[in-house]
Amino acid sequence: SQQGEEDPQALSIQEGENATMNCSYKTSINNLQWYRQNSGRGLVHLILIRSNEREKHSGRLRVTLDTSKKSSSLLITASRAADTASYFCATDITSGTYKYIFGTGTRLKVLA
Amino acid sequence: EAQVTQNPRYLITVTGKKLTVTCSQNMNHEYMSWYRQDPGLGLRQIYYSMNVEVTDKGDVPEGYKVSRKEKRNFPLILESPSPNQTSLYFCASRSRAGGNTIYFGEGSWLTVV
Repeated sequence: SQQGEEDPQALSIQEGENATMNCSYKTSINNLQWYRQNSGRGLVHLILIRSNEREKHSGRLRVTLDTSKKSSSLLITASRAADTASYFCATDITSGTYKYIFGTGTRLKVLA
Repeated sequence: EAQVTQNPRYLITVTGKKLTVTCSQNMNHEYMSWYRQDPGLGLRQIYYSMNVEVTDKGDVPEGYKVSRKEKRNFPLILESPSPNQTSLYFCASRSRAGGNTIYFGEGSWLTVV
């Protein structure tokens, strides 16, 4: 099964509203990253949070990490139609090998 | 410009006809990887490589082969494609240092009929 599981699977909101997506994972991690994918295109890196960090901001993005609950959330504030995309979390497990595991993604639709 | 380039971007092929999807990166990255993306299953790692001549299986390696003869190239080989390998494939690379950004190619849509 996937290391990362995003929740919800799909989300539809109005422009200007905030969008929150959650990611849960199973094993200890070094860091967690969030990626964005426009329909059928390659994934693009958004933000990285390390295991010793609890919160991180980048523009309209806010990421939190709770290692005790093995979960992370991505908040997009004041959403825009251009934010419509799928969002994935990726975890770098602490095995010492090159292993990033991606979740199944949240499909976000922002209605204008 | 930092790039991961895959070819072909779109391909329809027939069962059993060997094909190769090429991948090249211009960032001198040590790590390269192949993923497939299927509806409801997210991205699943097929193979990865930690450096030249060092490759290992990911989560779904069956039916695929890879090679890493040069640092910049990491081709994915389907020796005898089957319809269940119809998918969207992504090549990715990143630097050795832990936590670095993963760079993805634009994807290769493969249909096996």
